[in-house]
Amino acid sequence: GENVEQHPSTLSVQEGDSAVIKCTYSDSASNYFPWYKQELGKRPQLIIDIRSNVGEKKDQRIAVTLNKTAKHFSLHITETQPEDSAVYFCAAVYNTGKLIFGQGTTLQVKP
Amino acid sequence: EAGVAQSPRYKIIEKRQSVAFWCNPISGHATLYWYQQILGQGPKLLIQFQNNGVVDDSQLPKDRFSAERLKGVDSTLKIQPAKLEDSAVYLCASSLSALLNTEAFFGQGTRLTVV
Repeated sequence: GENVEQHPSTLSVQEGDSAVIKCTYSDSASNYFPWYKQELGKRPQLIIDIRSNVGEKKDQRIAVTLNKTAKHFSLHITETQPEDSAVYFCAAVYNTGKLIFGQGTTLQVKP
Repeated sequence: EAGVAQSPRYKIIEKRQSVAFWCNPISGHATLYWYQQILGQGPKLLIQFQNNGVVDDSQLPKDRFSAERLKGVDSTLKIQPAKLEDSAVYLCASSLSALLNTEAFFGQGTRLTVV
């Protein structure tokens, strides 16, 4: 079926360390993969996205990699800061444009 | 630029009652989504519109949920009758066009509590 699997569900790192969140998708026709950050009680907001014609994209401390053959994509946050603490969601757009989200990863950055 | 507007922000109802949520997307956005987000879970797509047509409603419990997008702009989501398990945040989002893989912007959501 159309789903997005996300791991881990929780992640705790020390300030300054890196954090990696991984997702897999099921539809080989998917070609757009956004990542959203949701702080407690707030709406999800886009932090970075990647399209299938690109293998990697970077924006300051955040990077996303895509492996279309394996149907995997990952979010990498370097030099983590306490304000990076939030829930992160990966998503994939399926054939008709359906935007499907993963289950979320709660990231805690300890000072 | 105005964002996605949703109302009400909060709603508490008793089970078996009905409730309606309203969403006004960003002007010019063709795609409108309704998601259900249960505490601790990812947003679950209930229904997706492209202009005033339904793209997907496979996850919408049609025996109790209904949604419409009149004139391809505003949208309402209704639950009748509500069950305890409907307690969740209902998020509306819009994008220029999902077919063009454009960013989806979310509203603040409506937190529904069914008691």
